[in-house]
Amino acid sequence: SQTIHQWPATLVQPVGSPLSLECTVEGTSNPNLYWYRQAAGRGLQLLFYSVGIGQISSEVPQNLSASRPQDRQFILSSKKLLLSDSGFYLCAWDQDQDEKLFFGSGTQLSVL
Amino acid sequence: AQSVTQPDIHITVSEGASLELRCNYSYGATPYLFWYVQSPGQGLQLLLKYFSGDTLVQGIKGFEAEFKRSQSSFNLRKPSVHWSDAAEYFCAVGAWTGGFKTIFGAGTRLFVKA
Repeated sequence: SQTIHQWPATLVQPVGSPLSLECTVEGTSNPNLYWYRQAAGRGLQLLFYSVGIGQISSEVPQNLSASRPQDRQFILSSKKLLLSDSGFYLCAWDQDQDEKLFFGSGTQLSVL
Repeated sequence: AQSVTQPDIHITVSEGASLELRCNYSYGATPYLFWYVQSPGQGLQLLLKYFSGDTLVQGIKGFEAEFKRSQSSFNLRKPSVHWSDAAEYFCAVGAWTGGFKTIFGAGTRLFVKA
């Protein structure tokens, strides 16, 4: 069966520090991968999606970037975190022709 | 452009009472419609999905949703709420636009009173 792993679960970082959140999917190949952010009391905002290795689409301009170095690995990064980057980050995947999303357990990022 | 509106930020119901969570969408054609549930500190789990066919969709955990084209609505219902249903519920709309994209509403937080 397919599983999605996301880590770390919680992260506290100072302003200006770098960020790297990792997400991996097991049990499937060539998934579509997504990064969402959920700010406190707000819905989910799609940040990035990827349909294949090295193919990244950004939905909103921001301080973050994403990379997909391997088929089932999706990384969210920043060179210098801002206070506004705080939030709950969710990785998700789906398969072509199957429209439902499967989510990781999320990373709570606090930038202080 | 697609959009999803969940007019209720939070709702409180008593255990055993019925529940209806509202969702309205905006899209040029009939999109895929979803309801997801999120427990605190966790990812989202799909409750149900609609694209075509019977407008009353059955999901997991005893939930159902009804698609009403004339009202652009896709409200979630449950006849009898359990304390374990307390969570955040997200309505979402999706479409194939150079890949499948899902847009989420702001969510409705459900509180259940004993």
